[in-house]
Formats: sequence, structure tokens, C-alpha cells
Amino acid sequence: GQQLNQSPQSMFIQEGEDVSMNCTSSSIFNTWLWYKQEPGEGPVLLIALYKAGELTSNGRLTAQFGITRKDSFLNISASIPSDVGIYFCAGQLAGAQKLVFGQGTRLTINP
Amino acid sequence: DGGITQSPKYLFRKEGQNVTLSCEQNLNHDAMYWYRQDPGQGLRLIYYSQIVNDFQKGDIAEGYSVSREKKESFPLTVTSAQKNPTAFYLCASSIPGGLREAFFGQGTRLTVV
Repeated sequence: GQQLNQSPQSMFIQEGEDVSMNCTSSSIFNTWLWYKQEPGEGPVLLIALYKAGELTSNGRLTAQFGITRKDSFLNISASIPSDVGIYFCAGQLAGAQKLVFGQGTRLTINP
Repeated sequence: DGGITQSPKYLFRKEGQNVTLSCEQNLNHDAMYWYRQDPGQGLRLIYYSQIVNDFQKGDIAEGYSVSREKKESFPLTVTSAQKNPTAFYLCASSIPGGLREAFFGQGTRLTVV
């Protein structure tokens, strides 16, 4: 199937630092979604992006839909311990009825 | 409250047995999906259904079967033909007309013993 390249795979940061992660693909996407998953739980939707160039915030989280429609990034500002988890990007390919997921970015925060 | 409910949370199966995972939603969503997640991996699509009585194979459908007799329910059967069934299974649903925002259940962890 189609692949999304999500990076980095893992991050170890200090509390208070900013975080940045991204997803790229060789394919064009109509929608980008960012999810957070905590251990043993289902992913929770954080931000949804629908237009190329769109920049959307949700509290300390900011995500952008790349102009080329082939990438997206997620930033977390001033990280706190409850930000720990795995963050997934997901994209809906143009003309498709299903989501493609990235491999996830595991965020660990040292207090 | 509206949401997606998966049951059970944990499931143990003996080799050679079929087992069915439940997924129920009261969000009035037309589309429902089953994903498999392995440690350190992203989510891989098993089956999806856009409407009642219709479903399509995803990327890894071999060894699995589904039914969609009711809008609210999309059970997944892991058959004995699935060679490596131990995984975390996630069900999702989305608004009519596409996958613009997919909402997930809490997951079922299946272990073959």
C-alpha cells in the first residue's frame, strides 16, 4: 500500500522544550490528520487539515498542510509531561476512501 | 454519550480457533474500519465498510472476515487462517461521504496462546 514517511521515529526531550515532527509522501493527499495514542488506548484525533497551506492550532499544538499536498508537520510548544505518547499522521489520498498512516513518533519527556 | 465501543479489551485465543471482535458505534456514521497495529508499527487497514451490507478488503485482509448487517455494528472475525494474529486491533468510524475525520475505539488486544 501507500507509504507515509513519518519522522523522527522517537524523540527524547526536556519538559518545556518545543517539538516538531513531520510526514512526507510521494503521493498527493486531500486530508491530513494528526492523532495521539497513549499505551493500550485507541488514537485520539488532535488536528484535521483539509486545504493545502492550511495552518491550524489546537492549544499548544500547531499543524500545517503542505503546499505541495505531499507533506504535513505538527509542532508542540512548551511540552508538558502529559504530552508523552505516540503521535501518528494520517492522510487521505486523493480519490481514495481510506486513510494511510505514518509509522508514528514516540515522544518521551524528561521532567 | 456518542462513541465507539470495542469489546473485549483483552482476548486470548488458542491456535486454530476463530475469534470475533466486537465494534459498535452510536455516532450515526456510515463508514467503519478495522485496523491492525503491531508494536512499533503504524496502523494497517484490514477491512472497511462505507455502507450497510457492503465492505471492501484493505491492505491485509487475508485471514480475516467481517460483516455489516447493521449501521451500528462492524464485527471482525480473526480466523484460524491468520498466521500471526497476536496484535492490537482498532475499529474506527467516520462521517458519511468519506474519511475526513475518523474516530477510534479503545482497541482490543488479541493474544494467541
